[in-house]
Amino acid sequence: QITLKESGPTLVKPTQTLTLTCTFSGFSLSTSGVGVVWIRQPPGKALEWLALIYWDDDKRYSLSLKTRLTITKDTSKNQVVLTMTNMDPVDTATYYCAHEVTTDYYSYMDVWGKGTTVTVSS
Amino acid sequence: QSVLTQPPSASGTPGQRVTISCSGSSSNIGGNTVNWYQQLPGTAPKLLIYNNNQRPSGVPDRFSGSKSGTSASLAISGLQSENEADYYCASWDDSLNGYVFGTGTKVTVL
Repeated sequence: QITLKESGPTLVKPTQTLTLTCTFSGFSLSTSGVGVVWIRQPPGKALEWLALIYWDDDKRYSLSLKTRLTITKDTSKNQVVLTMTNMDPVDTATYYCAHEVTTDYYSYMDVWGKGTTVTVSS
Repeated sequence: QSVLTQPPSASGTPGQRVTISCSGSSSNIGGNTVNWYQQLPGTAPKLLIYNNNQRPSGVPDRFSGSKSGTSASLAISGLQSENEADYYCASWDDSLNGYVFGTGTKVTVL
């Protein structure tokens, strides 16, 4: 059974750096075709894809946030960390991590964590 | 910012069929597969459809997906009250080199 859990601060100040950790179980991030994705959802708004890290350490970032995001993995700890610099009140959202399945023909996020809410305010 | 366009709302009475559209472009839906997610109030999204029309284990066959050109659609037949939720389409975008989500559709059971 695959599970993921997001953790990190619930409140950050503007201009600070946010560090979120996704701790997972039930799969290995060294297995071919596996990835972990970060997605966020501002209150009352749509989902927004942020970043993805693959089993081979290949990484993808949202173009609009690329300069502010860094995604890393620690396979031995079964963790993926997302850092977002220069936080702003518009970054207030629920942040989710999810398990990604990738094949030659399709990919999808099949299991999601419950999410962690981050508020940006002074 | 959502690249895929969905109607903001859809509704139907119990037992009816509801269809949700998702419009994209050649760089996303036109060249890649589409996934659909259901988000019940206050919960995380759940995978409903992957690879355009495949259902994960446990998803009822009342949910079906299709894709044609640069658009996709999700159909819910035999609508039930527990289907009240937000529904999102998603696809990889080759130009953006990342995933894009739809604007979301709120389904209401009248």
